[in-house]
Amino acid sequence: AQTVTQSQPEMSVQEAETVTLSCTYDTSENNYYLFWYKQPPSRQMILVIRQEAYKQQNATENRFSVNFQKAAKSFSLKISDSQLGDTAMYFCAFIHITGANSKLTFGKGITLSVRP
Amino acid sequence: DTGVSQDPRHKITKRGQNVTFRCDPISEHNRLYWYRQTLGQGPEFLTYFQNEAQLEKSRLLSDRFSAERPKGSFSTLEIQRTEQGDSAMYLCASSSYTPQETQYFGPGTRLLVL
Repeated sequence: AQTVTQSQPEMSVQEAETVTLSCTYDTSENNYYLFWYKQPPSRQMILVIRQEAYKQQNATENRFSVNFQKAAKSFSLKISDSQLGDTAMYFCAFIHITGANSKLTFGKGITLSVRP
Repeated sequence: DTGVSQDPRHKITKRGQNVTFRCDPISEHNRLYWYRQTLGQGPEFLTYFQNEAQLEKSRLLSDRFSAERPKGSFSTLEIQRTEQGDSAMYLCASSSYTPQETQYFGPGTRLLVL
């Protein structure tokens, strides 16, 4: 079974501080991509960062970076210098890139609140 | 590139009625996906198209649900004989040809079945 687990339902961080959101996943496949999506309140889902499973180097996008541990099937998101606009639900997801299976499998999400 | 658009943004209907949602993908995106998101949960896959061909359907997609993508452009998702359990956000996403390409999401259609 393909599953994504986000065990922390809510987190809060002070503005300008750093926060790490955790995610674990389970798949028997070897070729897949991992994503973090952000869904602000009443707004559409947008991509934050993606990681190709075959790459050892962790992806970075400005204040966002990941810690990808393939053997442990762990994919955490670090947000540095948190801003009020980072307040949102964050979803971890993966997709297989072989065969006919093209769906994203999402976790339940984590609600992040950035305090002023 | 105007992004993925969905219409309507909100729909309130009575149990037993039929509803239809529309999704317009990013132009030139071959793949189009439908997901359903209930409150406090992550999106769940419903179905996807590559051009006009519907290639995969989830078990969540009961016989009351049907999706089409004529001519490989916009897509419609119809729910017949709606039930209260159908209340959810219905999300559409599109991507380029290859599976590893990023899926870009629309704003969603929020359905409330009374």
